[in-house]
Amino acid sequence: KQEVTQIPAALSVPEGENLVLNCSFTDSAIYNLQWFRQDPGKGLTSLLLIQSSQREQTSGRLNASLDKSSGRSTLYIAASQPGDSATYLCAVRLLGSYSSASKIIFGSGTRLSIRP
Amino acid sequence: NAGVTQTPKFQVLKTGQSMTLQCAQDMNHEYMSWYRQDPGMGLRLIHYSVGAGITDQGEVPNGYNVSRSTTEDFPLRLLSAAPSQTSVYFCASRRDRRTDTQYFGPGTRLTVL
Repeated sequence: KQEVTQIPAALSVPEGENLVLNCSFTDSAIYNLQWFRQDPGKGLTSLLLIQSSQREQTSGRLNASLDKSSGRSTLYIAASQPGDSATYLCAVRLLGSYSSASKIIFGSGTRLSIRP
Repeated sequence: NAGVTQTPKFQVLKTGQSMTLQCAQDMNHEYMSWYRQDPGMGLRLIHYSVGAGITDQGEVPNGYNVSRSTTEDFPLRLLSAAPSQTSVYFCASRRDRRTDTQYFGPGTRLTVL
C-alpha cells in the first residue's frame, strides 16, 4: 500500500531564507507527483507536477525534484516571503490498473510559517 | 466559470442524523472525487467517479454513499452521521482520469456531536 509522508509537520523560518520541504513515498510505481498549497480554510492549489520520467520542475521561486528510486521529492522555495505561509502537501498518482490509476494519495502536509 | 463549488461551508450534525454534501463543477469534467482531511492525516479519498453513472470506492468509503446522475453534480451522502466523520470534506474534479490538473472546492467543515 502506497504511503506518503511529509516531515516535519510544521516549519517556521525567517523571511528571506531558502528552504526545503520533504516528501517521501513507499512505492516507486507512481505515475507522477504533485505539490499543492493550501491556505487556511481553503481548498488545494496545484503548484508543480513532476512526471515519473522527470527529475525536476521549476516555477518562479519554486523548484520540485523527484527521485523515484529513493522514494523522495523535495520542494525548494527560494527567498521565502510571508505570503508563502501555508500548508504544502505532496501527492502521488498511482501507476497500475484502470482503477488504481485514477487515485491520488496525499501526504499530511507541512505547515510553513515565514516570519517577517 | 465558478469552478468547483461546495455547499454548505459549515455543518453541525447530531449522531445518527443524515445529510448530503453538495458538489458541482461547471467545467464539464468527467472525473470527480471526494476527500476528507483530518489533522495529521492528509487527504484521504472517500469515493470517486470517472463519469456520469460510474462511481467507485476510495480509501475510506464506509459510512458514505455517492451517486453521479449528471456530469456536473457529485453529492456525498452521510446516512447516519458518527463523530468519527467530523472532518473537512473536499470535492475535486479533473477533466478525465488521465488528466493531472485537479481543481478543488473550498471545502465543507462538518462537526458531528
